[in-house]
Amino acid sequence: GQQVKQSSPSLTVQEGGISILNCDYENDMFDYFAWYKKYPDNSPTLLISVRSNVDKREDGRLTVFLNKSGKHFSLHITASQPEDTAVYLCAAGARNTGYQNFYFGKGTSLTVIP
Amino acid sequence: GPKVLQIPSHQIIDMGQMVTLNCDPVSNHLYFYWYKQILGQQMEFLVNFYNGKVMEKSKLFKDQFSVERPDGSYFTLKIQPTALEDSAVYFCASSLEGQGSTQYFGPGTRLLVL
Repeated sequence: GQQVKQSSPSLTVQEGGISILNCDYENDMFDYFAWYKKYPDNSPTLLISVRSNVDKREDGRLTVFLNKSGKHFSLHITASQPEDTAVYLCAAGARNTGYQNFYFGKGTSLTVIP
Repeated sequence: GPKVLQIPSHQIIDMGQMVTLNCDPVSNHLYFYWYKQILGQQMEFLVNFYNGKVMEKSKLFKDQFSVERPDGSYFTLKIQPTALEDSAVYFCASSLEGQGSTQYFGPGTRLLVL
């Protein structure tokens, strides 16, 4: 089955608002969680990642929240801007595979309206 | 940031023929990966490669698939013979190290098997 799920295929947010992207996972062994942004050339690029020993990590306008008991993590983008418009992929990996196999969600298409 | 290139960007091929997808990884990277994304589905891990060897492969990596990186040139994915279900976007990635190292992705090769 699908190990990592993004339940919302799309999200529209007004400029200046908070974009909240959600991801659910199934495997208890996952201990590395990441968000990728797909750029216009279609290449996924790592935005931010977090290990399971923390439940929150901030980097500028980006914050990842991790809820291990709920098998859920999210990406919050504050002060959303039109240039944040893109497809966002969540991914998870496990130490027992050396983190070499990442499981990706299908993606959420974020549109930020000026 | 570091760039991974993929050649060609698009490929159309008749079922049963051979195809080779080329990846030019980040120059000092040592680990290489292929992922497959069928239209409307999530990106899925196929295989990782290090020091001239396949380290791990998924069930999607059929016997008709092979990978190599001869003499530090392109990292290639060869499919011989191709089947209709091989139609997908194939993403290459590379990382400097294995465990926990950031994977840098290329823009993908869109393969259509007729």
